[in-house]
Amino acid sequence: GGIITQTPKFLIGQEGQKLTLKCQQNFNHDTMYWYRQDSGKGLRLIYYSITENDLQKGDLSEGYDASREKKSSFSLTVTSAQKNEMAVFLCASSPTGYNYAEQFFGPGTRLTVL
Amino acid sequence: GDSVTQTEGQVTVSESKSLIINCTYSATSIGYPNLFWYVRYPGEGLQLLLKVITAGQKGSSRGFEATYNKEATSFHLQKASVQESDSAVYYCALSRTGGYKVVFGSGTRLLVSP
Repeated sequence: GGIITQTPKFLIGQEGQKLTLKCQQNFNHDTMYWYRQDSGKGLRLIYYSITENDLQKGDLSEGYDASREKKSSFSLTVTSAQKNEMAVFLCASSPTGYNYAEQFFGPGTRLTVL
Repeated sequence: GDSVTQTEGQVTVSESKSLIINCTYSATSIGYPNLFWYVRYPGEGLQLLLKVITAGQKGSSRGFEATYNKEATSFHLQKASVQESDSAVYYCALSRTGGYKVVFGSGTRLLVSP
């Protein structure tokens, strides 16, 4: 088994601030993902990475940067937080090419921008 | 692109009654997608409930089952007799074999009343 850890659990920022979310996994999975979930909506893919130092844009990458410097970690940066923004950011990982893209998720980081 | 539709935001069912949560998909690329149901129990992270990768097949887990109907492009989740512990948010999703992206529906919250 394994686990995905996301820090922080809650993140409060100011408008215009740069904010960084971190994710660690010990599954030894190759692929990692960042999703955004707004209240009552589905998950939207921001970035994913198929291996260390790889980055691929998802459907919602504008306004975000990502970094995958180690196989076990994947960071997401909100480049300029938007006022009144509220969302949950989910990190996930999956073994490449096996189990047909089954994903394992972290508990999430809840963002509030004042 | 591909999409997944869950029409019910919330479903309330009495304990021991049957359940169906609707899911339809639109797959614009050639070939049949892989289909999944994910679940988020209160206080826990999103996790895979069941998956079916072959059209016409049925998947099952924890008393839930779903049949991949390629003619109706549906993947409805059913359970014959629900329990209070089944109260959770259920997400239908699809992916492409060998691909990295998973497309999620908006989720259906199931409330099971005693």
